[in-house]
Amino acid sequence: RKEVEQDPGPFNVPEGATVAFNCTYSNSASQSFFWYRQDCRKEPKLLMSVYSSGNEDGRFTAQLNRASQYISLLIRDSKLSDSATYLCVVNEAWGGYNKLIFGAGTRLAVHP
Amino acid sequence: GAVVSQHPSWVICKSGTSVKIECRSLDFQATTMFWYRQFPKQSLMLMATSNEGSKATYEQGVEKDKFLINHASLTLSTLTVTSAHPEDSSFYICSASSTSGKNIQYFGAGTRLSVL
Repeated sequence: RKEVEQDPGPFNVPEGATVAFNCTYSNSASQSFFWYRQDCRKEPKLLMSVYSSGNEDGRFTAQLNRASQYISLLIRDSKLSDSATYLCVVNEAWGGYNKLIFGAGTRLAVHP
Repeated sequence: GAVVSQHPSWVICKSGTSVKIECRSLDFQATTMFWYRQFPKQSLMLMATSNEGSKATYEQGVEKDKFLINHASLTLSTLTVTSAHPEDSSFYICSASSTSGKNIQYFGAGTRLSVL
């Protein structure tokens, strides 16, 4: 079983749509959680951290359910510029260091 | 946000040659730097974790003699792919973590390596 699993998509949605991505992780001891965005042939960029109480940043809302080991990202009012791959990322403490485990990503394509 | 510079962005080399990739944190001190590899349509895979002044810790299955990592200062880490072969062709990305303890990693722009 993969440590971080995501639906690969692609999700093809029209502008203005609301889209939700899900992610599950296998290590219950994982400590912190993030969503990164990666454009084609570019490096990942931090979109937002995910907190247990849920958090919102503009059109983006992230949720964490530790009991179910489940993370979600909701994008409202999709823009063309939201087209990218969204990476679910879990941080694990390991031998005194912190280690990021990446999901394979969910592709989003927003069309006019 | 913090800036991490990675160089070169693209390199093409002949099989058997060695390639060095640099990763620099420009506006913060990075006690820990990470090296990842990403094959097309796959997730980033951690290769090694490097701490300033000490030997890198390699992930299982990553050959330390093939992928040499040096982290001589708080702002610079290098990855050298020795005797590169076509199967080493990939997207290599570094990241750096600051001393702030927030577990956030800042990524370099990546290096696309093509071995002929």
